[in-house]
Order: sequence, then C-alpha cells, then structure tokens
Amino acid sequence: SQQGEEDPQALSIQEGENATMNCSYKTSINNLQWYRQNSGRGLVHLILIRSNEREKHSGRLRVTLDTSKKSSSLLITASRAADTASYFCATDPNTGGFKTIFGAGTRLFVKA
Amino acid sequence: ETGVTQSPTHLIKTRGQQVTLRCSSQSGHNTVSWYQQALGQGPQFIFQYYREEENGRGNFPPRFSGLQFPNYSSELNVNALELDDSALYLCASSWGTSGIQETQYFGPGTRLLVL
Repeated sequence: SQQGEEDPQALSIQEGENATMNCSYKTSINNLQWYRQNSGRGLVHLILIRSNEREKHSGRLRVTLDTSKKSSSLLITASRAADTASYFCATDPNTGGFKTIFGAGTRLFVKA
Repeated sequence: ETGVTQSPTHLIKTRGQQVTLRCSSQSGHNTVSWYQQALGQGPQFIFQYYREEENGRGNFPPRFSGLQFPNYSSELNVNALELDDSALYLCASSWGTSGIQETQYFGPGTRLLVL
C-alpha cells in the first residue's frame, strides 16, 4: 500500500483563491517532497522539507510538516489557471535503503 | 526542462515480449530511480541505482531489471510483458551522498502499451 495519502482526491477552485492539499503517511521519514504533474507528463519538483523542519516557502507555495501527526500540507496562494495539475507528496521512509513512496495525488482544477 | 531525457516516448508491445527503456540523467547526478505510473495513480517505485549498484527496490517481480552505466545513464528492462505492465514509466535522477533521498528530477516518461 502507498505510504502517502493525499486529501482531497480532487479540488476545484476559482482563480485567485487559495488551494490546500494534505498528505498523511505511515512511517517515520527523512524528508517529504511535493511534486506537480501536468496531464500525465513528467513530475516537477516543488519543495523538499526535511524531518527537522516545520515550514518552508517557495513563491506562492507554503509547505508544513507535522511529524507527530505524520502529515504535511501544501498551500498554493492566489491560484492561477496554470496551477491546474495533479499534486503528489512523496516520502523518503527512515527504514533503511532508498525507496521513495508517492501518494495517489490531488487533482487540482483552477477555473479562470 | 530538467535535463533528464527518456527514450522512446511511446511504445507498443505484445504480451510475452521484452522491452528496454532508456534514461539519461541530469549532468552531475549519480543516482537514478525508475517508477511505474498507471493511469490515475501515483508513481510506484521500481528500483534505484547509485553509482551502478542497485540500492533500493520496490515490490516488483524479478522480470523488472535495470542497469546504470558509468556515465550514469540507465536502462529499465521488462521481460515477459503482461497487460498490466501498460503504464507511464518515469525515470528520475538525483545527487546522492548519504542514505537520504534528495530532490529528484524527472524525465518526461515513456508510455508503454501492452496488447
């Protein structure tokens, strides 16, 4: 089963609104990353947050990490139609050996 | 553009055949990972190579195998293809120096259809 679970599965908002996506995971991690994917193409890296960090910002993106709750959130502020995509969280479990685990993703649709 | 390239972009095979997919890593990266992504799903980790050695594997059968070459390019080989192998195959390169996965840069993927 997948380690990361995104919530909601789908989200539809108006341009200019904020979009919040959540990710939960099961085991302790070294870091957590968020990726974006447009229409079945390759994934684009957005932010990496390490297990000892609580919040990171990049432009209109804000990511939080709560290791006690094993959860993370991605906030996109002032959304644009171009933000329409699938968003995935990916965890690097702290279990030895390299193994990145992706969730099923949140499909975001931003209406112009 | 990430600098990671994959070939071919699309491929059609029949059940039982074998396929080889190729990936060129981003310059300076020594680690490559392969993922399988079924339609509407998140990517599933197949395996990772670090300096030409496999150092992590997901829940995929042995008919999925790989290679990493001295120039850090990579191949994914799948034998005895099954219908369920139809998917988008993604490779990702990164710089690894420790036991922690760093930022991965993905290629555009190879879409495989098995008939």
